[in-house]
Amino acid sequence: KAGVTQTPRYLIKTRGQQVTLSCSPISGHRSVSWYQQTPGQGLQFLFEYFSETQRNKGNFPGRFSGRQFSNSRSEMNVSTLELGDSALYLCASSPGAGRTDTQYFGPGTRLTVL
Amino acid sequence: QKEVEQDPGPLSVPEGAIVSLNCTYSNSAFQYFMWYRQYSRKGPELLMYTYSSGNKEDGRFTAQVDKSSKYISLFIRDSQPSDSATYLCAMTGPDSGYALNFGKGTSLLVTP
Repeated sequence: KAGVTQTPRYLIKTRGQQVTLSCSPISGHRSVSWYQQTPGQGLQFLFEYFSETQRNKGNFPGRFSGRQFSNSRSEMNVSTLELGDSALYLCASSPGAGRTDTQYFGPGTRLTVL
Repeated sequence: QKEVEQDPGPLSVPEGAIVSLNCTYSNSAFQYFMWYRQYSRKGPELLMYTYSSGNKEDGRFTAQVDKSSKYISLFIRDSQPSDSATYLCAMTGPDSGYALNFGKGTSLLVTP
């Protein structure tokens, strides 16, 4: 069974631009969660989508948004990029909402903001 | 203060040693406790999953949860160079909608 895939793997943007990251969950998984990982703050929860609906949201500004499609694929968007948005963005999929016992992470997208 | 505290290390041990990794937390509502392993340039991989207090063993790995002390541990027996990675504790509960709260991770190096 294929794992969680994230595209692109690496991205370089400049301040003020916007970016869209993509996540394809494991086949059959309907929940996708997004996390930001930085050396200073570690891994922080952004949001979770289940059946095309955002069911949970972390403490991030409104510049961070996401969506989920009917095939469970998810995208995350960051508008008006700031230098502090440079991070590894990870998505994780699970069969159902809040299923942390069967949550599998992708390899991440490394975003660098210049 | 973060809800989950974890010593970042680095921790360096010789091959075959017993490794002890620990986290403390402040939120008494956490019910589920996890340990993840993350290799460089990879996503975290779930190693151990525990509900509430107690011990859980899986091969060379043992996870312990002490809810009264708000303290969790991961023990690795007979450590191998392939265990060299960053180990992240994570925990969750209903008050956070089961979103994972991570420690910052401990970097472990097992030398041959």
